Amino acid sequence: ETGVTQTPRHLVMGMTNKKSLKCEQHLGHNAMYWYKQSAKKPLELMFVYSLEERVENNSVPSRFSPECPNSSHLFLHLHTLQPEDSALYLCASSQDRGGASEKLFFGSGTQLSVL
Amino acid sequence: RKEVEQDPGPFNVPEGATVAFNCTYSNSASQSFFWYRQDCRKEPKLLMSVYSSGNEDGRFTAQLNRASQYISLLIRDSKLSDSATYLCAVDNTDKLIFGTGTRLQVFP
Repeated sequence: ETGVTQTPRHLVMGMTNKKSLKCEQHLGHNAMYWYKQSAKKPLELMFVYSLEERVENNSVPSRFSPECPNSSHLFLHLHTLQPEDSALYLCASSQDRGGASEKLFFGSGTQLSVL
Repeated sequence: RKEVEQDPGPFNVPEGATVAFNCTYSNSASQSFFWYRQDCRKEPKLLMSVYSSGNEDGRFTAQLNRASQYISLLIRDSKLSDSATYLCAVDNTDKLIFGTGTRLQVFP
């Protein structure tokens, strides 16, 4: 098994749809993250969970809703998205938050297209 | 000034060449620095951490210059397989900030 697995790899959805992205880490890490990567832009941190508790939300619109039921699983629930939300969504995990411990291991990402 | 800044490139170099990238950061209090490699349509993968004393891993050398607030990545004896985008990441008040990446293309 790879360290961080994400599903689905590709997703096309209409603006009225509801979908969820799933992430699972098999590394025994304590922190999990959602990042957004758009063309020609740096990775944008969306949400951080540490020991299943949300510790950071970088002013992400409410149409993105994260869920962390346990330290190994992370979801990103999507509803009424906009075309500008089309991007690569990456899940990551690290041993702990902050400093040298924040070596990130990424999943393969979900390429999202909103029509 | 951007928190983390990189030259987007592309850097086009022949096989066997030595190439270096820099990454500047704005927060002088930053303590942790990393280089990631990202292949086209793939996820970023940690290449190496950057320590105050420098860090070498085979053909790759990473260095930190605190006075001028930049980190560097040196690749010696470039291989075709080194072609990728190289992202730097810098901690900023307990959050990692990524640069936009530098594209490297190694040609035969």
